Amino acid sequence: AQSVTQPDIHITVSEGASLELRCNYSYGATPYLFWYVQSPGQGLQLLLKYFSGDTLVQGIKGFEAEFKRSQSSFNLRKPSVHWSDAAEYFCAVAPGTASKLTFGTGTRLQVTL
Amino acid sequence: DTGVSQNPRHKITKRGQNVTFRCDPISEHNRLYWYRQTLGQGPEFLTYFQNEAQLEKSRLLSDRFSAERPKGSFSTLEIQRTEQGDSAMYLCASSLGQGLAGGSYNEQFFGPGTRLTVL
Repeated sequence: AQSVTQPDIHITVSEGASLELRCNYSYGATPYLFWYVQSPGQGLQLLLKYFSGDTLVQGIKGFEAEFKRSQSSFNLRKPSVHWSDAAEYFCAVAPGTASKLTFGTGTRLQVTL
Repeated sequence: DTGVSQNPRHKITKRGQNVTFRCDPISEHNRLYWYRQTLGQGPEFLTYFQNEAQLEKSRLLSDRFSAERPKGSFSTLEIQRTEQGDSAMYLCASSLGQGLAGGSYNEQFFGPGTRLTVL
């Protein structure tokens, strides 16, 4: 069965600083990988996804993620964080295109001004 | 707004009572998923439907839980004889199913969730 590990429960960064959120997955083959963001009172929103091809994927709101097969990682990055990026971020994996998602435990991002 | 909607948004109930949640997916989506999210955890898969057929159920879905999607549109999730451990956010998502969009990914769109508190 697939699993996802997000080792950082809580991260604090200053506005304008760069950000990297870590995600490691366990799956027999190359899975479909996703990053979602969840703000208080809001539903989960898809930031970006990786299926195949270019290992650096671009998403919405200036986020990007890099798939590294050798490290079983799919880390999320943003060069300059804005205060509005404060939220909970979830990495997820799925075995197929319309399959159930397996989520990590999330990383809560706090942005200081 | 044509997104996924869930009702109610909040539900407080006493242990032992039955509760029912409703999810209205995006109208053209034929797949509907239910997830449960407890405090400090990521969402966990409960079950999903393709049209009116319930295709998979998680081990998390005990006998006290039942989900339906009678006409392939909205879905209900009922919890009977609620327990304090059922307190969680129940999330619904919808997507286009496989076969309707070739090999491309059919994104799951999530609703805002129903927060259940069992006293």
